[in-house]
Amino acid sequence: ETGVTQTPRHLVMGMTNKKSLKCEQHLGHNAMYWYKQSAKKPLELMFVYNFKEQTENNSVPSRFSPECPNSSHLFLHLHTLQPEDSALYLCASSHLTSGAPYEQYFGPGTRLTVT
Amino acid sequence: RKEVEQDPGPFNVPEGATVAFNCTYSNSASQSFFWYRQDCRKEPKLLMSVYSSGNEDGRFTAQLNRASQYISLLIRDSKLSDSATYLCVVTPSSNTGKLIFGQGTTLQVKP
Repeated sequence: ETGVTQTPRHLVMGMTNKKSLKCEQHLGHNAMYWYKQSAKKPLELMFVYNFKEQTENNSVPSRFSPECPNSSHLFLHLHTLQPEDSALYLCASSHLTSGAPYEQYFGPGTRLTVT
Repeated sequence: RKEVEQDPGPFNVPEGATVAFNCTYSNSASQSFFWYRQDCRKEPKLLMSVYSSGNEDGRFTAQLNRASQYISLLIRDSKLSDSATYLCVVTPSSNTGKLIFGQGTTLQVKP
């Protein structure tokens, strides 16, 4: 399935590195999301973008910096991460104005390891 | 208290069995309810929405009890391919697209 793609699929980075995660949706949706999934924990919503505008920041530390240049692309810029930030980072998209507003389509995720 | 609570399991059942999962949510103003399915090392996918009147999709039946703030999923005639983690999902009262996920219930269907 290529509706929502994410790159890279795996990333290992040191605590002093800077890296970026990329998400692209090919579904014509107007909202995009970043989630964090840690072992034994529920998915945690990090950010919501609606028509490129950030509408939700779920108290995420500033070492995570999102960027949404258009409705199809979403980035998560990472810097000076901590080992506890190691997790699966999932991107999702949906329509927010019509149809089934809450059906979110997820990408395959980026598995991040911070060493 | 967690916003959405599920028994993590695992539930180990034989093929053909009927199995039920429950979920409770803390915010009485929650608007919409869903079950998502997540296979091992894969992304979550929408399984079905949950309506107040209850709804059925093949072998799957979802029910909502707003008074008790309780959602259920019933799977009949379990198949090996039903093995996955089932995520209970709730939306808050405002239409921001925000989904609140439970921890998930793991189902393992054995031959």
